[in-house]
Amino acid sequence: AQTVTQSQPEMSVQEAETVTLSCTYDTSENNYYLFWYKQPPSRQMILVIRQEAYKQQNATENRFSVNFQKAAKSFSLKISDSQLGDTAMYFCAPQSIQGAQKLVFGQGTRLTINP
Amino acid sequence: SQTIHQWPATLVQPVGSPLSLECTVEGTSNPNLYWYRQAAGRGLQLLFYSVGIGQISSEVPQNLSASRPQDRQFILSSKKLLLSDSGFYLCAWRERGRIMNTEAFFGQGTRLTVV
Repeated sequence: AQTVTQSQPEMSVQEAETVTLSCTYDTSENNYYLFWYKQPPSRQMILVIRQEAYKQQNATENRFSVNFQKAAKSFSLKISDSQLGDTAMYFCAPQSIQGAQKLVFGQGTRLTINP
Repeated sequence: SQTIHQWPATLVQPVGSPLSLECTVEGTSNPNLYWYRQAAGRGLQLLFYSVGIGQISSEVPQNLSASRPQDRQFILSSKKLLLSDSGFYLCAWRERGRIMNTEAFFGQGTRLTVV
């Protein structure tokens, strides 16, 4: 079974600071994708970034980047120059071939950006 | 473009009453469909997923059931609600053909309160 661990239930930083959210997962697959989603107070789920496991280069999307450590099964999200609008729950979601029909999320990290 | 509709947005039901939440997707065919429940401030628990009409996989044994009477319609039901069924319910879809690398798209959610 695929398990996902987000060890930081809550985090809080000041606006413009950089923050890193951690995620570890368990899979026996070699090829898979990893996603980070955010859920702002509106509760609408939004894709933040995705990473392909066979690519060594870490994905970036503007202020969002990941640190993917395949051997360690770690997939952390870094938010640079944080903004008030980044306040949200963040969920990590690895996606493997074996579990292809499912979409399983971690328990989430509640991130608060303070003015 | 594809859209997902989920209703109602808010629901207050007495214990022991039936439940029916509906989710429909437009602009795509043969989607994978998902129902999640989110307790207050917590992660997303996968309840059911479906890869086709009439095909339902249950992740968590509980007081709920799901059905897919049409390709783009996914219904979450209960014959008798329990207090523990309260929560935020999210419907999601994803393209069937490219499971691994495609993101999931979520409805706006239903906040269910059982009283």
